Amino acid sequence: SQQGEEDPQALSIQEGENATMNCSYKTSINNLQWYRQNSGRGLVHLILIRSNEREKHSGRLRVTLDTSKKSSSLLITASRAADTASYFCAEGNSGNTPLVFGKGTRLSVIA
Amino acid sequence: DAGVIQSPRHEVTEMGQEVTLRCKPISGHNSLFWYRQTMMRGLELLIYFNNNVPIDDSGMPEDRFSAKMPNASFSTLKIQPSEPRDSAVYFCASSRTGERTEAFFGQGTRLTVV
Repeated sequence: SQQGEEDPQALSIQEGENATMNCSYKTSINNLQWYRQNSGRGLVHLILIRSNEREKHSGRLRVTLDTSKKSSSLLITASRAADTASYFCAEGNSGNTPLVFGKGTRLSVIA
Repeated sequence: DAGVIQSPRHEVTEMGQEVTLRCKPISGHNSLFWYRQTMMRGLELLIYFNNNVPIDDSGMPEDRFSAKMPNASFSTLKIQPSEPRDSAVYFCASSRTGERTEAFFGQGTRLTVV
């Protein structure tokens, strides 16, 4: 299986602060994906970073990838209360194997 | 596109009853995944299909669980007989093979077995 492990398990910050979540993985990857899950909803894809990329931005999201350390980080800048959710990473490839998710990081942004 | 559609959204059933969960993947997606989510075990992959063919069902907890995908636009996950420990949120997701392999999730079915 291709399972990412997120760290920390839970994170609580004030609105306006930045939130950083980390992901470690074990195998060689084609890409690394981050997902978000609001309470009671399905996972929503946030951003995909390819193995030959080191950094990627999307709005207030910044993802980095270090293939030598088999790690990735997700930074949410200027957090908002609406960012409160669980965040998951998963290793992806171009084949047909499924994404396997870790326990995620529960982010709470306090207004 | 309407996204991945799951039904029902909520299901409450008595122990021993048969439960059928349904999923309609996004049109054009050729991979379909069933996941189960609980507080204790997180998000577990149960089974996945490629081009309607079951590829790996090693995550199916017991023989009480079965899944089918009779065509590219429909899949079912059946539990017979159901038990209280099957209570969880069940998600269906679909994706397309290729360079971008992100998965699209349905809203889930919250199953409660009493």
